[in-house]
Amino acid sequence: SQQGEEDPQALSIQEGENATMNCSYKTSINNLQWYRQNSGRGLVHLILIRSNEREKHSGRLRVTLDTSKKSSSLLITASRAADTASYFCATVVDTGRRALTFGSGTRLQVQP
Amino acid sequence: GAGVSQTPSNKVTEKGKYVELRCDPISGHTALYWYRQSLGQGPEFLIYFQGTGAADDSGLPNDRFFAVRPEGSVSTLKIQRTERGDSAVYLCASSSSAGSANEQFFGPGTRLTVL
Repeated sequence: SQQGEEDPQALSIQEGENATMNCSYKTSINNLQWYRQNSGRGLVHLILIRSNEREKHSGRLRVTLDTSKKSSSLLITASRAADTASYFCATVVDTGRRALTFGSGTRLQVQP
Repeated sequence: GAGVSQTPSNKVTEKGKYVELRCDPISGHTALYWYRQSLGQGPEFLIYFQGTGAADDSGLPNDRFFAVRPEGSVSTLKIQRTERGDSAVYLCASSSSAGSANEQFFGPGTRLTVL
């Protein structure tokens, strides 16, 4: 079953604009991760944020986590055409289960 | 190899046939995961290995699905009596340990089509 729900399902922006994607989840977590997927195949890990962290940065990426609201957001600043992809949040729950539980993803289209 | 590899990249089979999908994890990674992704959806967990043993197989949908990792490296996902609903991309991932905070590295996937 899907743990997370991403919002929006699809997003189209112009190059240079910022893109914000949101993720909500249902159970308590150990950490939350964001992945990117091009062309429906392999996923690439972008960033991991632990449950005791509130914000994390990596290059043009900024991730926030609000455990009280069970939500996270991914901000991509100064977007590029190469950022066009699907973005998924994935959680690792607190019960010791190691597997990732993915949301349904946001499809981002960056127009050049 | 430098990353996780999966073979074949595409597999077309007929309903009722048996298929095997192979995953070569990153060398030295002790944890290996199988996921299944249907069109327009996020990946769904199938099974997780720590070393040679299946530490969590709670995601396997039924007893037609089975996976092995006999030497703690390469893993094979086996599907018996395939059904059209098994059509999906099967993704394999590995990580350096069983730690829950570890990044998982994904392979390119095997696209299975059951006619």
